[in-house]
Amino acid sequence: SQQGEEDPQALSIQEGENATMNCSYKTSINNLQWYRQNSGRGLVHLILIRSNEREKHSGRLRVTLDTSKKSSSLLITASRAADTASYFCATLSYQAGTALIFGKGTTLSVSS
Amino acid sequence: DARVTQTPRHKVTEMGQEVTMRCQPILGHNTVFWYRQTMMQGLELLAYFRNRAPLDDSGMPKDRFSAEMPDATLATLKIQPSEPRDSAVYFCASGLFSGTQYNEQFFGPGTRLTVL
Repeated sequence: SQQGEEDPQALSIQEGENATMNCSYKTSINNLQWYRQNSGRGLVHLILIRSNEREKHSGRLRVTLDTSKKSSSLLITASRAADTASYFCATLSYQAGTALIFGKGTTLSVSS
Repeated sequence: DARVTQTPRHKVTEMGQEVTMRCQPILGHNTVFWYRQTMMQGLELLAYFRNRAPLDDSGMPKDRFSAEMPDATLATLKIQPSEPRDSAVYFCASGLFSGTQYNEQFFGPGTRLTVL
């Protein structure tokens, strides 16, 4: 069963704009991770944020975590056509075992 | 450049046939996962192993699916007999769990299975 739910399901923007994707989850977590999947490929890890962290940056990526609201957001700044992909949040909860549980993803389309 | 490898990349078979998918995790990783991805269900966890021992296979249809790790360099997922509803992309992933920290998973390229 999915733990995380991404919102929106699909997002279309122009190159240079920022893209924001949100993830909500149900149970307490130890960490939350974001992955990207290009069409027909495996998932690639982007960034991990631990439950005691509130914000993390990696290049053009910014992730926030609000454990009180059980939600996270992924911001991609100055988007490029190459950012076109599906983005998934995944949660790890030691209470639920030690496997990541993935949401259904947000499909991002960046047009030039 | 360490990566997870999966074979075959594509498999087309007829209903009732046995299908075996193989995965070579990244050397040194102690946890191996099998996922199935479909448009309808998204990415579902089927089973995972730590140090070659199965930890959870509750996501797997038990009557037809089986997962094993004969050794640390090979994980297999077998479907017997296969059915059209098994058509999906099957991903293997590996990671390192230290007991207190668990970081990212590394995914293979997937096996695209079509059961006719």
